Amino acid sequence: SQTIHQWPATLVQPVGSPLSLECTVEGTSNPNLYWYRQAAGRGLQLLFYSVGIGQISSEVPQNLSASRPQDRQFILSSKKLLLSDSGFYLCAWRALGGGNYGYTFGSGTRLTVV
Amino acid sequence: DQQVKQNSPSLSVQEGRISILNCDYTNSMFDYFLWYKKYPAEGPTFLISISSIKDKNEDGRFTVFLNKSAKHLSLHIVPSQPGDSAVYFCAASGSGTSGSRLTFGEGTQLTVNP
Repeated sequence: SQTIHQWPATLVQPVGSPLSLECTVEGTSNPNLYWYRQAAGRGLQLLFYSVGIGQISSEVPQNLSASRPQDRQFILSSKKLLLSDSGFYLCAWRALGGGNYGYTFGSGTRLTVV
Repeated sequence: DQQVKQNSPSLSVQEGRISILNCDYTNSMFDYFLWYKKYPAEGPTFLISISSIKDKNEDGRFTVFLNKSAKHLSLHIVPSQPGDSAVYFCAASGSGTSGSRLTFGEGTQLTVNP
C-alpha cells in the first residue's frame, strides 16, 4: 500500500535561519507531488507541485523553494526564514495522470518562525 | 482569484441533526469535486467525491450534492456526531488542470455539540 512520510512534525526556527522539510512516498511510482501551506485561520494554499524528477512548478512568489531529487522525494527549502513563513505545511501525492482519486496527504509540519 | 469558496468559516449543530456544508466554484472547467476532513495538527483525509456527470453521491452518513448550473456543491452529514467536529475542505479539479492539482476552499469548521 502507498504511504507518505513527512517530517519533522513540529519545528521552531529563528528568523533568518534556513529550512528543509522532507517528504517521501512509498508504494507508488511517478507520483505527482505537492506542497501546501495552511496559515493560521486560512485555507490550503498550493506552494509547489512536481510531475517528475527535477520538474518543479511554483504557484506563488515567495521565500521558499522546492526540489525533487528522486522520484518519491520532495523537499521544501528556504535560505532565510521570515516570520510570515509560519504555518502548517502539508505534502501530498497523487497518482500520475490524476485520475479521480484525489490526494493523499502527509501528517504535516507545524513551522513556527520566531 | 478564489476559484473555490466556502463562505461559512464555521458551523455549529446539535448531535443527531443534519450538518450542511456549502461550497461554490467559478471555474466551469472543474469536473471533479472532493471533500476532505481535517483534524488539528493532522493532514486532511479524503471523505467523499463526485464527478460532474452526477448530481449526488452517497456514502453512509455523508452525501454530496452537485448543482452544476449554480456551480454549487454541498456536503450533508446525517446524523451528525461529535466525532465529526473538524475542518471540512471542498476541493475541485479539472481534466485540463496542469499537474492534476486540486484547488481548495478556505474550509469550514464544523462543531457538533453533544
